[in-house]
Amino acid sequence: SQQGEEDPQALSIQEGENATMNCSYKTSINNLQWYRQNSGRGLVHLILIRSNEREKHSGRLRVTLDTSKKSSSLLITASRAADTASYFCATLSGNTGKLIFGQGTTLQVKP
Amino acid sequence: GAGVSQSPSNKVTEKGKDVELRCDPISGHTALYWYRQSLGQGLEFLIYFQGNSAPDKSGLPSDRFSAERTGGSVSTLTIQRTQQEDSAVYLCASSSSQGAPLGYTFGSGTRLTVV
Repeated sequence: SQQGEEDPQALSIQEGENATMNCSYKTSINNLQWYRQNSGRGLVHLILIRSNEREKHSGRLRVTLDTSKKSSSLLITASRAADTASYFCATLSGNTGKLIFGQGTTLQVKP
Repeated sequence: GAGVSQSPSNKVTEKGKDVELRCDPISGHTALYWYRQSLGQGLEFLIYFQGNSAPDKSGLPSDRFSAERTGGSVSTLTIQRTQQEDSAVYLCASSSSQGAPLGYTFGSGTRLTVV
């Protein structure tokens, strides 16, 4: 079953613009993570935000978490062509140890 | 090793044949996960190992799918009597402990094509 729903499914912007992707989930979580995937292969972990955190930064990435709305957003500032990829949110719940992934947002950054 | 290694990177097989996919996690990572990704889709959870045991096999699609892990390290995912709908990228990930507090490290995947 899919926990996360991501919005938009696809996003196309110009280099230098900001990109915002949203993720909604259904059950209570321990943490929420964002991953990036190039060319349909392995995913790379970008950032993790715990359920008791509201905002986190890493370089040009900013993640917010609203547990009351069961939603998160990923902001990439000053985007670059190299940011072109698919971005997935994933949630960790309970003691299962497994991440449940959303369907992803495909980001295209035009040079 | 330095990263999660999966082999083969690509596999083309005839319908009805058995296939074995291998995952070599990061040394010392106790938790290992298998996911499947169909074209343009999200990741579908298959199975999770903590050490050599599999506390959660709930994602295995049918009894044609099985997985094992030996020595707390290498894992193999076996698909028997492959069907065309098994075609997908199979991704393996590992983490340093249950609950993935620092996130997963993924391998590059095995692209399986059943013809």
